[in-house]
Amino acid sequence: DAKTTQPNSMESNEEEPVHLPCNHSTISGTDYIHWYRQLPSQGPEYVIHGLTSNVNNRMASLAIAEDRKSSTLILHRATLRDAAVYYCILNSGYALNFGKGTSLLVTP
Amino acid sequence: DSGVTQTPKHLITATGQRVTLRCSPRSGDLSVYWYQQSLDQGLQFLIQYYNGEERAKGNILERFSAQQFPDLHSELNLSSLELGDSALYFCASSDQGAPDTQYFGPGTRLTVL
Repeated sequence: DAKTTQPNSMESNEEEPVHLPCNHSTISGTDYIHWYRQLPSQGPEYVIHGLTSNVNNRMASLAIAEDRKSSTLILHRATLRDAAVYYCILNSGYALNFGKGTSLLVTP
Repeated sequence: DSGVTQTPKHLITATGQRVTLRCSPRSGDLSVYWYQQSLDQGLQFLIQYYNGEERAKGNILERFSAQQFPDLHSELNLSSLELGDSALYFCASSDQGAPDTQYFGPGTRLTVL
């Protein structure tokens, strides 16, 4: 499986934008870039996915580099409820290969 | 609420015992996945079933087995339990679209004493 690299942790102030980076230099042409998050004491939650173009949904935006070797998950206005571990996953099959993710701390 | 239900929420048992974890997928989803989350190993894929048939296997021990029934609910059976099997077990379901977006249940916390 192609691997992803994320910072272990990041911190943000409430109501400010957050940019969570992910490097995936060995991505293949069929890999979709998925983001999931896991809030404390809960199961993982789907956030967003993309293949080549930038994507927006009600939760976040996903910016994908032109060469697809990196991507950035953007939370436009962080809230305390967004404090979670965010996982960037390359998915060309079906089973998800979770790495360690980025632990996001949001401070008031 | 993802629409995926798991029972029981918590399970405490002793080493050597056998337990069964149950998962009901979202309405209409044919695929069920099982994952294990422990402090040292993180979230690991165990096994996938699609419409009653085993589709993919991950890091699942031989002491563990699963099945998916005609009504699409799934059970994960863990036997000869060891202390190291203590973990959170998550079930996820999907409709097998491309790409496959998975919806996770709240998990079952297993404690082996």
